[in-house]
Amino acid sequence: QKEVEQNSGPLSVPEGAIASLNCTYSDRGSQSFFWYRQYSGKSPELIMSIYSNGDKEDGRFTAQLNKASQYVSLLIRDSQPSDSATYLCAVNVITQGGSEKLVFGKGTKLTVNP
Amino acid sequence: DAGITQSPRHKVTETGTPVTLRCHQTENHRYMYWYRQDPGHGLRLIHYSYGVKDTDKGEVSDGYSVSRSKTEDFLLTLESATSSQTSVYFCAISDPGTSGARQQFFGPGTRLTVL
Repeated sequence: QKEVEQNSGPLSVPEGAIASLNCTYSDRGSQSFFWYRQYSGKSPELIMSIYSNGDKEDGRFTAQLNKASQYVSLLIRDSQPSDSATYLCAVNVITQGGSEKLVFGKGTKLTVNP
Repeated sequence: DAGITQSPRHKVTETGTPVTLRCHQTENHRYMYWYRQDPGHGLRLIHYSYGVKDTDKGEVSDGYSVSRSKTEDFLLTLESATSSQTSVYFCAISDPGTSGARQQFFGPGTRLTVL
């Protein structure tokens, strides 16, 4: 069974700080990695995708990927109270039949305190 | 907005009754997925479809069936609902991203309670 592990948290940071969210995965063949944000009572929203080793920046968000260590992270700079949500890490897995599906971590709950 | 709707949005039913949840998309996406989300378990894949009449099982498919007779609709059926199927159900579609990898986008969800 392919696994994706995240710290469940909760992670609490003050407003303006950097929030660091981490994720490890078990399938060395995975090539695509995603971060979703989910507000309470809402559906997951895709915020970052990363496919190559290194960093990818989008506004206040930076995704970091290290395939050798099977590790992907999300940094949120200048954290705002509106960033308070659960963040889900997702990793693609190729099935034996050749289909592609995502395996999700259980999520890390982030609270940004004003 | 990936043009995904789910119906009903909320449903309360009794143990042993059949239940069908509908996912409808308007943008001709080939891939569609059904997930359930439960505290402590995260998002788990129930079934998915890679085309009309082409479906496959996910990790928690027992007690569920699906059908896709046309591109825009993906139905999830609980033949005889049990209390363990009380959950929030999400439909998702996928599109190739810039590198060809499929990004998934989620519908608003259906909250199902089985008494």
